[in-house]
Amino acid sequence: GAVVSQHPSRVICKSGTSVKIECRSLDFQATTMFWYRQFPKKSLMLMATSNEGSKATYEQGVEKDKFLINHASLTLSTLTVTSAHPEDSSFYICSAPGLAGEGTDTQYFGPGTRLTVL
Amino acid sequence: AQKITQTQPGMFVQEKEAVTLDCTYDTSDPSYGLFWYKQPSSGEMIFLIYQGSYDQQNATEGRYSLNFQKARKSANLVISASQLGDSAMYFCAMREVPVYNFNKFYFGSGTKLNVKP
Repeated sequence: GAVVSQHPSRVICKSGTSVKIECRSLDFQATTMFWYRQFPKKSLMLMATSNEGSKATYEQGVEKDKFLINHASLTLSTLTVTSAHPEDSSFYICSAPGLAGEGTDTQYFGPGTRLTVL
Repeated sequence: AQKITQTQPGMFVQEKEAVTLDCTYDTSDPSYGLFWYKQPSSGEMIFLIYQGSYDQQNATEGRYSLNFQKARKSANLVISASQLGDSAMYFCAMREVPVYNFNKFYFGSGTKLNVKP
C-alpha cells in the first residue's frame, strides 16, 4: 500500500522558536494532503488541507499565520509551527488521499510527529 | 453538530470474546464513506475497514465487521475473538465529498479498548 512518511517523529523545542514538520508521499503523488492535530487521548482534529500549487485551506479556528503550510511539490507538504508555545505541544499527523480508483477512497496516514514546546 | 459520535470513551472485553464499538454519524450527503481506524500507543493510524454509503452488504475484514444501519446512521465495529493486541484506541471516521475539499475526513472522539487476559 501507499506510504506516507513524516519527519521528524519527535521534536522538542524552546518557546518562541519555529518548527518545521515534513510530510512526504513515498511512492505516489499527492496533490492534496491533510494536517491533523491530536491532543492526548483525544480525537484527530483536521487543521488544514494542503494543496499543491495553491494556498492551503484552513479549518475554522486554526490560525493561518501560526501554522504555515507549504505544499512544495507533489510529494511534499510542510507544516511550520511559528513562534511555538507550550500550548502548541501536540501530536501532528498528516495524511494523503488514496489513489484514484481505489475502492475504499481511504487516506494514508503518516506516523505522526510529537511536538513538545518547553 | 458533531459529524461522528462515539459514545464509549472506554471499553473492556475478555480475551477471545466479541466486542462492539458504537459509532453514529450525521450527514446530508448521499455519497459518503465510513471508516474505522486503530491507533495503538505508537500513534500510527491503522486502517481496519470501510463501508460505502451505497454498499448493500456489511463490510467484513477478517475479525472485523461493520454493522451498517443506514436508516439509523450507525456504523458499529464488531471485533470477534478479541486478542490482547487489539488493545488500542479505535476511531470511527466519515468521508464526505464536498465540492472544494475532496476526501475530507471527520473523526469521532475515539474508544479506548482494553482486552483482558
